[in-house]
Amino acid sequence: DIQLTQSPSFLSASVGDRVTITCRASQGISSYLAWYQQKPGKAPKLLIYAASTLQSGVPSRFSGSGSGTEFTLTISSLQPEDFATYYCQQLNSYPQSFGPGTKVDIK
Amino acid sequence: EVQLVESGGGLVQPGGSLRLSCAASGFTFSSYWMSWVRQAPGKGLEWVANIKQDGSEKYYVDSVKGRFTISRDNAKNSLYLQMNSLRAEDTAVYYCARAGTSMIVVDFDYWGQGTLVTVSS
Repeated sequence: DIQLTQSPSFLSASVGDRVTITCRASQGISSYLAWYQQKPGKAPKLLIYAASTLQSGVPSRFSGSGSGTEFTLTISSLQPEDFATYYCQQLNSYPQSFGPGTKVDIK
Repeated sequence: EVQLVESGGGLVQPGGSLRLSCAASGFTFSSYWMSWVRQAPGKGLEWVANIKQDGSEKYYVDSVKGRFTISRDNAKNSLYLQMNSLRAEDTAVYYCARAGTSMIVVDFDYWGQGTLVTVSS
C-alpha cells in the first residue's frame, strides 16, 4: 500500500501569507494526486486534481505541483476563508489513501 | 446542480448491521464511478470503497473487506453501502462522493454532507 505523509501537520499563518504544504508518497504515483480542503463540520472540497489541475470554481491563488513522490499545494495569498484542513490523496493504486492532513490556522 | 444526499446512519451495537444510501441528482449517475469515504471523530479521511459505473468493478480498503458491500442502482440514481459485523472502529461520518467518468478514478469532485454511524453498546 502507498503511504502519504504531509508536512507540516499544523501551520499558523496570517492573511496575505504565502503558504506551502508538502505531500510525499512512499512510492511513485505519477501525477495521480488530488488536494482537498475541509472546514469543520463540512464535507471535503476538491481543489486540485492530477497534481496540478485547478478544479473549476477554485480561486487561482491555489496551485499544485509535483510528480512521482513529492507534491506541493501552494496558496499564494492566504485569505480568511482558507483557514481549514488540507488533505492530499493518491489515486494511483488501491487503496486510494489520503494523507493525514495539514491544519492551517490563524496566527 | 449536483447533489448527493446520504441517509441510513445511526447507533448500532457491535456486530450489528446498517445500510447506508446515497441519493444522487443533477448529473447522469450511471456515467460515474462512485465512492464511500469515512472520517472517524476528530480524525482524517479514509477511503472505504469504489464502484464502477456498471457495478462490474468494486474495490475496498482492507479493513472492511468481507464485511462491507458497495452497490448501486442506476435506475434509482442511488449508491449503497451494506455494513455488517460492525466494530467500534467503524464509528465515523460516512461520505458519498462522485468519482469521475473515465476508466479509472482520478478525483472525487462532489461530496455529500455525510451520515454519522456510531457503533457502541
